[in-house]
Amino acid sequence: EPEVTQTPSHQVTQMGQEVILRCVPISNHLYFYWYRQILGQKVEFLVSFYNNEISEKSEIFDDQFSVERPDGSNFTLKIRSTKLEDSAMYFCASSLSVQETQYFGPGTRLLVL
Amino acid sequence: AQSVTQLDSQVPVFEEAPVELRCNYSSSVSVYLFWYVQYPNQGLQLLLKYLSGSTLVKGINGFEAEFNKSQTSFHLRKPSVHISDTAEYFCAVRMNRDDKIIFGKGTRLHILP
Repeated sequence: EPEVTQTPSHQVTQMGQEVILRCVPISNHLYFYWYRQILGQKVEFLVSFYNNEISEKSEIFDDQFSVERPDGSNFTLKIRSTKLEDSAMYFCASSLSVQETQYFGPGTRLLVL
Repeated sequence: AQSVTQLDSQVPVFEEAPVELRCNYSSSVSVYLFWYVQYPNQGLQLLLKYLSGSTLVKGINGFEAEFNKSQTSFHLRKPSVHISDTAEYFCAVRMNRDDKIIFGKGTRLHILP
């Protein structure tokens, strides 16, 4: 069964450093998403991406964040200058269309020191 | 604005006993409803979803949920739990035509031997 994959599974970084989280969505899916879950809190929507542009973003997704689909398979989330409060589990998801089920990856646990 | 409330942060239940995980939502428009499960050290997996039609929805692993519009609830049930059901369960809602999924805080299901 096709699945969403994410790398790395864990990332530790120093405050102020840039990080790139990578995702490979399900191959025929057209919609891509990033969510995050701060420890002990809800899973929160960050951004959705379709047709090579952001279709919706939350208040959390400020200028420090960016997304990109650099080739036909990868979907990345970049945090330009990490802050302590960016420490969280980041989930990538994809769906065939906006009405279809979103399938989630296993997550990347980011720790900012 | 949409919101999802999962009243129980943890639910202990004996193996082979029935379980109900409660979920209430608020929305001024029609919504799609979901239950996701997160097994230890894994990503989010879709258990079941309600889009329209029959209010009783059956999912994987013997789980089912009932949509109750008047009570704005979507409680998850299983008649007999197994140790392998130990996981965190997330209720979620998505507004029709919207990209993002709004998650509840999750309910951790502990299966007691």
